[in-house]
Amino acid sequence: GAVVSQHPSWVICKSGTSVKIECRSLDFQATTMFWYRQFPKQSLMLMATSNEGSKATYEQGVEKDKFLINHASLTLSTLTVTSAHPEDSSFYICSAGGLSNYEQYFGPGTRLTVT
Amino acid sequence: DAKTTQPTSMDCAEGRAANLPCNHSTISGNEYVYWYRQIHSQGPQYIIHGLKNNETNEMASLIITEDRKSSTLILPHATLRDTAVYYCIVTKTSGSRLTFGEGTQLTVNP
Repeated sequence: GAVVSQHPSWVICKSGTSVKIECRSLDFQATTMFWYRQFPKQSLMLMATSNEGSKATYEQGVEKDKFLINHASLTLSTLTVTSAHPEDSSFYICSAGGLSNYEQYFGPGTRLTVT
Repeated sequence: DAKTTQPTSMDCAEGRAANLPCNHSTISGNEYVYWYRQIHSQGPQYIIHGLKNNETNEMASLIITEDRKSSTLILPHATLRDTAVYYCIVTKTSGSRLTFGEGTQLTVNP
């Protein structure tokens, strides 16, 4: 199956700094990528839908100025957490739709810890 | 997307079949049933999907009732590596946004 990678796999940053997470589709082109967030012992929550070449669509309650999403190419989407706070500490997961549009492939996730 | 209901947790003995149920009584005619699983601290993994016919692949089988209001994911010979949270999702296409419920924590015991 198709492979989606994320970098970094984990990151620790200080409060007030910004962190960028990359999501890449390694062997296919993805016009749409999705960003999810998962807090401990909770399910995945969709944050935003990222479309190549256009602005991301954010879910209700997600601050678009805090979570900047850029989908500059068909294989790369980035999520930047700006002015991070400890409550932003979470597991961030990206995904991309497959060529058949019947499968969605997930990255391995990025563990963000804000101190 | 239609709402799904799954048991919170299930146990299964290694080597036995694991049958995970899912209720989706409000499913509409053009919605598929998808199953994903998430092993601890990893991204979700696609397992199988179906519309109305039963489906089988190398990982699992999906049985959908005739009225499509419920389905069962079957792992025919569960192994310890199948311990994970299993999510049943109903959606028109998996390429679109997915709404994850709480899922079922399956624990396979030796």
